[in-house]
Amino acid sequence: QQPVQSPQAVILREGEDAVINCSSSKALYSVHWYRQKHGEAPVFLMILLKGGEQKGHEKISASFNEKKQQSSLYLTASQLSYSGTYFCGTERTSYGKLTFGQGTILTVHP
Amino acid sequence: SQTIHQWPATLVQPVGSPLSLECTVEGTSNPNLYWYRQAAGRGLQLLFYSVGIGQISSEVPQNLSASRPQDRQFILSSKKLLLSDSGFYLCAWSALPGEKLFFGSGTQLSVL
Repeated sequence: QQPVQSPQAVILREGEDAVINCSSSKALYSVHWYRQKHGEAPVFLMILLKGGEQKGHEKISASFNEKKQQSSLYLTASQLSYSGTYFCGTERTSYGKLTFGQGTILTVHP
Repeated sequence: SQTIHQWPATLVQPVGSPLSLECTVEGTSNPNLYWYRQAAGRGLQLLFYSVGIGQISSEVPQNLSASRPQDRQFILSSKKLLLSDSGFYLCAWSALPGEKLFFGSGTQLSVL
């Protein structure tokens, strides 16, 4: 079952923060986050396993609330390079079958 | 280092024509391989995945098929394309099930 992402689109100015949410109605094993630039392939950002672990690098981090089956991606002090479509992918088992959300379009303006 | 090659980059095919998209991975052994399709402005839909040579799992019933004739080669095929087959096709691999995916550059398929 496809996870639901919110919001569908976000417009920011450089330096502003954003949060993208990913929710599932089913119990999850893990959540992946990817970013896709227009016309390009998605690029991996991070994986979160069940257990509520929070991960991050530089100014992008994420959390996974196992009880709520929800993950959030946090982008702080946004840069122009952060623009793109963000997808969460969820797994219900460890078999590697990712189901992706519909995506969140993030636009960062100067 | 590992790399993934996918071709062609763009393809325009008439309805009813056959299709063959190829994907190869270098620098790793026994990768898990995946075919995804992305409709314009939409998310990624898993079509097929493979954990080994000759082992293909289909996620969506359709007129597409996949084959894995060699360890690092994954092929997406169709005998007769439909208009609804248009989209951006992405091949991906992971070292183990559940690990991060590395995507190829994609094939933009237009069926006219």
